[in-house]
Amino acid sequence: GENVEQHPSTLSVQEGDSAVIKCTYSDSASNYFPWYKQELGKRPQLIIDIRSNVGEKKDQRIAVTLNKTAKHFSLHITETQPEDSAVYFCAASLTGGGNKLTFGTGTQLKVEL
Amino acid sequence: DTAVSQTPKYLVTQMGNDKSIKCEQNLGHDTMYWYKQDSKKFLKIMFSYNNKELIINETVPNRFSPKSPDKAHLNLHINSLELGDSAVYFCASSHSIGLSGQGRYGYTFGSGTRLTVV
Repeated sequence: GENVEQHPSTLSVQEGDSAVIKCTYSDSASNYFPWYKQELGKRPQLIIDIRSNVGEKKDQRIAVTLNKTAKHFSLHITETQPEDSAVYFCAASLTGGGNKLTFGTGTQLKVEL
Repeated sequence: DTAVSQTPKYLVTQMGNDKSIKCEQNLGHDTMYWYKQDSKKFLKIMFSYNNKELIINETVPNRFSPKSPDKAHLNLHINSLELGDSAVYFCASSHSIGLSGQGRYGYTFGSGTRLTVV
């Protein structure tokens, strides 16, 4: 089955700096890669996603890049703000697998003032 | 108008008891899921239902039994609760993958049920 690895497990940045979180996946059949943000005690919420036919997608301060050949994808957050502090999860979806999302292990992002 | 609602939000119970968690979505999605989030925050799928049919059943003890009376509801019943069952259980829903593979995949999660077994 699919295996998703995520790094780093914790990340501290100064407010205004950029943050990058990286994931790799094992199943070349995966074609959908969402990112979720989970604030303390709350539900994971979809913040951005990318399909395998696209190499990059941007939404304001958030961008995701995908390298299908290398089987890795990354989340980039620019001009970080304290409210960006949360746990971020990457995930990959197996095609035809009932839309099952396999999640990475999460990255605790802390944006310091 | 909560899109995916779970009840209860908190559940504290003794070992050996049987408990249920309920989930309902009003997004018109046809696929629903149960995920378990352990103390290390790892999210692992347990079950998935598409139009009331079980389509994913991961390696989960048979003490866990999901039931989907219709595509808007997915409940989870747990028998003989054990200490290791303590976790946050999230319900989620999404559109399914269409026959053409062009389905909209994004999950919407419920607010979670924090289960503590003592």
